[in-house]
Amino acid sequence: GAVVSQHPSRVICKSGTSVKIECRSLDFQATTMFWYRQFPKKSLMLMATSNEGSKATYEQGVEKDKFLINHASLTLSTLTVTSAHPEDSSFYICSGVKRENREQFFGPGTRLTVL
Amino acid sequence: GDSVTQMEGPVTLSEEAFLTINCTYTATGYPSLFWYVQYPGEGLQLLLKATKADDKGSNKGFEATYRKETTSFHLEKGSVQVSDSAVYFCALIKGGGGNKLTFGTGTQLKVEL
Repeated sequence: GAVVSQHPSRVICKSGTSVKIECRSLDFQATTMFWYRQFPKKSLMLMATSNEGSKATYEQGVEKDKFLINHASLTLSTLTVTSAHPEDSSFYICSGVKRENREQFFGPGTRLTVL
Repeated sequence: GDSVTQMEGPVTLSEEAFLTINCTYTATGYPSLFWYVQYPGEGLQLLLKATKADDKGSNKGFEATYRKETTSFHLEKGSVQVSDSAVYFCALIKGGGGNKLTFGTGTQLKVEL
């Protein structure tokens, strides 16, 4: 398989601050990366599709100004939660699509807690 | 829109028991179907997949058959082990290509000695 890492694995922040989460494909190039949000006992909800070198495509209902996504290289995408509030507390998961075979590989997730 | 429905968990089994986790889907066209597994503290991993009707995906003793007539993709294993304890997600990618996965809610499996 292929490895996707996320950093940090967990973060606690105060309400109103911004938090950046990194997603890296360690041993493959990912032209596309996805960002998901997972609620307790709920499915993974796709937030946005990130394509290297272009603007992210957001799913309906996801605020693009609140969840800033940057895909600066074929191995790195970042999600910045701006002016975080307690309702943004969640588990955020990224995935990268391997260019060669289009298989999707997932990161271990980032637990965000906003106080 | 497309959707995936899984049985609610947790499912608790004794080691060597038979496992079935039900999954049904709603989608237009001919989706590809997947089972992913999430072990504690880890990311989702692809367990198996099937891309067309009557295909059987299999891996690590797990199997699932793409049943178009019942729009189902139930996961089965003949003899579970403690190490199979994890959360299992059924998912689909709609027909026509693309990479967007639609997930079910996940089913937690606990296997006890």
